[in-house]
Amino acid sequence: QVQLQESGPGLVKPSQTLSLTCTVSGGSISSGSYYWSWIRQPAGKGLEWIGRIYTSGSTNYNPSLKSRVTISVDTSKNQFSLKLSSVTAADTAVYYCARDIVVVVAATPTSHWFDPWGQGTLVTVSS
Amino acid sequence: QSALTQPASVSGSPGQSITISCTGTSSDVGSYNLVSWYQQHPGKAPKLMIYEVSKRPSGVSNRFSGSKSGNTASLTISGLQAEDEADYYCCSYAGSSWVFGGGTKLTVL
Repeated sequence: QVQLQESGPGLVKPSQTLSLTCTVSGGSISSGSYYWSWIRQPAGKGLEWIGRIYTSGSTNYNPSLKSRVTISVDTSKNQFSLKLSSVTAADTAVYYCARDIVVVVAATPTSHWFDPWGQGTLVTVSS
Repeated sequence: QSALTQPASVSGSPGQSITISCTGTSSDVGSYNLVSWYQQHPGKAPKLMIYEVSKRPSGVSNRFSGSKSGNTASLTISGLQAEDEADYYCCSYAGSSWVFGGGTKLTVL
């Protein structure tokens, strides 16, 4: 059974870069046709998809965050990572990683869901 | 892209049925049958409840069902139970990206 675990600093200063890693256990990050996503949730608010990566290195990002986000994958460590630059207090949130399952037929997605999710890690942006 | 619109809260008594709506646009909900629903208890990670508008993953109670009409998707929970009290989020494909709803707090009275 695949499990995901986020790790990284819980406190980041404004204007600096937030860096998180998601470690996948119970299966290889390279097996199956999976994407791997980052999703965040500010306290008391809704979920926001940040972006995702395929094990080939192909990425998709939320247009509203695209200029500040980089997602990478290290298949040798069974990990994928998130970097968010120039952070402000508005980036304070619980950050989740999740397996992003999509079925594609003739270049069109026909099925999709996020499962499983990591437990989440709180990142606070403050000086 | 804007967040999908959900009611902030809904409530129901044990045994009753409730429906949570999720309204998007012709660029997301209206164009794709790629709506999923997630249940989140306080302090916990979201859990997949419905995918592809109306399909239930293995292990999810058949009291949970989903549907879609035009730009609006819906999650219905029948036979409400105390453990259904949680936040619920819809999610839709929006053409190379994914957009979530703002969430609905379900209170079981």
